[in-house]
Amino acid sequence: DAGITQSPRHKVTETGTPVTLRCHQTENHRYMYWYRQDPGHGLRLIHYSYGVKDTDKGEVSDGYSVSRSKTEDFLLTLESATSSQTSVYFCAISESMGTGGVEQYFGPGTRLTVT
Amino acid sequence: DQQVKQNSPSLSVQEGRISILNCDYTNSMFDYFLWYKKYPAEGPTFLISISSIKDKNEDGRFTVFLNKSAKHLSLHIVPSQPGDSAVYFCAARGSGGSNYKLTFGKGTLLTVNP
Repeated sequence: DAGITQSPRHKVTETGTPVTLRCHQTENHRYMYWYRQDPGHGLRLIHYSYGVKDTDKGEVSDGYSVSRSKTEDFLLTLESATSSQTSVYFCAISESMGTGGVEQYFGPGTRLTVT
Repeated sequence: DQQVKQNSPSLSVQEGRISILNCDYTNSMFDYFLWYKKYPAEGPTFLISISSIKDKNEDGRFTVFLNKSAKHLSLHIVPSQPGDSAVYFCAARGSGGSNYKLTFGKGTLLTVNP
């Protein structure tokens, strides 16, 4: 299994509070991703990173920001959590985006509940 | 609009029989297709992939077939085992400027009955 950990694994927070989720990898992979999984929607990309300090938006980025100051860590921040951000959040990594090596490997997930 | 579709939310098969999971896509620019398996409370696990230049890829009990003209792919599991019971996601990768992104279907819950 790819060395990916996420913390916390579960969190309950109140509307309007800031929340930061952490993804940590030990594979030294260049690319890191944040997804959310919701019933009826599959997995949707929030943000991704293609290197230290290099990040870009995915399809559902509103209300989220990210930072990557080290190869191994990718942080997802909800500046002011809303109930619509209640979801399961997955971090993923990949070694390459070229031909071959297209697989992304996922962490165990963080279940976030915003009350 | 949904570019990757898994039209069957669930599938039930008997142990030892073949499981066939289907996936349709609309974007002809996708260049790689992947299947992931997900157990409850775990992250998705990569199963098998296929390049758009191929029509079949096999790995043990798992075979993926790609029909580009029909924009359709399928995952065959033979023989099915109770441990295969999980949600299966089909995913597709965009080419060129979208090659960072995987687009996922909504998933199919496979139940393999002993």
